[in-house]
Amino acid sequence: GNSVTQMEGPVTLSEEAFLTINCTYTATGYPSLFWYVQYPGEGLQLLLKATKADDKGSNKGFEATYRKETTSFHLEKGSVQVSDSAVYFCALSDPHTGRRALTFGSGTRLQVQP
Amino acid sequence: GAGVSQTPSNKVTEKGKYVELRCDPISGHTALYWYRQSLGQGPEFLIYFQGTGAADDSGLPNDRFFAVRPEGSVSTLKIQRTERGDSAVYLCASSSAGQLNTGELFFGEGSRLTVL
Repeated sequence: GNSVTQMEGPVTLSEEAFLTINCTYTATGYPSLFWYVQYPGEGLQLLLKATKADDKGSNKGFEATYRKETTSFHLEKGSVQVSDSAVYFCALSDPHTGRRALTFGSGTRLQVQP
Repeated sequence: GAGVSQTPSNKVTEKGKYVELRCDPISGHTALYWYRQSLGQGPEFLIYFQGTGAADDSGLPNDRFFAVRPEGSVSTLKIQRTERGDSAVYLCASSSAGQLNTGELFFGEGSRLTVL
């Protein structure tokens, strides 16, 4: 079956540091890949997505590239801010299985200190 | 409202009791999902509705869990004979037909269920 593995947190960084959150996946077909973010006191929201190999998703300074050869979708940001403190979830959907639901990783908490 | 609304935000109940959790999706969204999130874990799929019908209920853990969406809008997740292991945050999400294939779901803030 499909699964997503993320690096464990919390990840603690100083403001303006470089961020990488690792994500690898297992899928039977050719999934679409997503990063969702959950800010304190808010619901999950889509951060970025990529629907095929070598696609790069980007939003709010965050980027992730769909690497089929390494089955990875690592999240990166060049300079984090305190406001980026949140929990980040990697997820996939595999429409070839006919399933519309997203499969999520366990989440990585990011804490950015001023 | 503008977003997905879930009530109650917090529910504390005793083992063996019956619980209902409500989700009011974004107006016009035809797809509705229920997920369960245990502490330190990612959301786990429970059930997906397309309109009034449950298109995929393969994530429901057992027959104590049931969900309905009678008019294709508001949905209710029902849990019978609650157990301590049911304690979790129950998330609802919705999306439009056009967003289904893009995987963009709009989530509510969740209902935190605690079974004593």
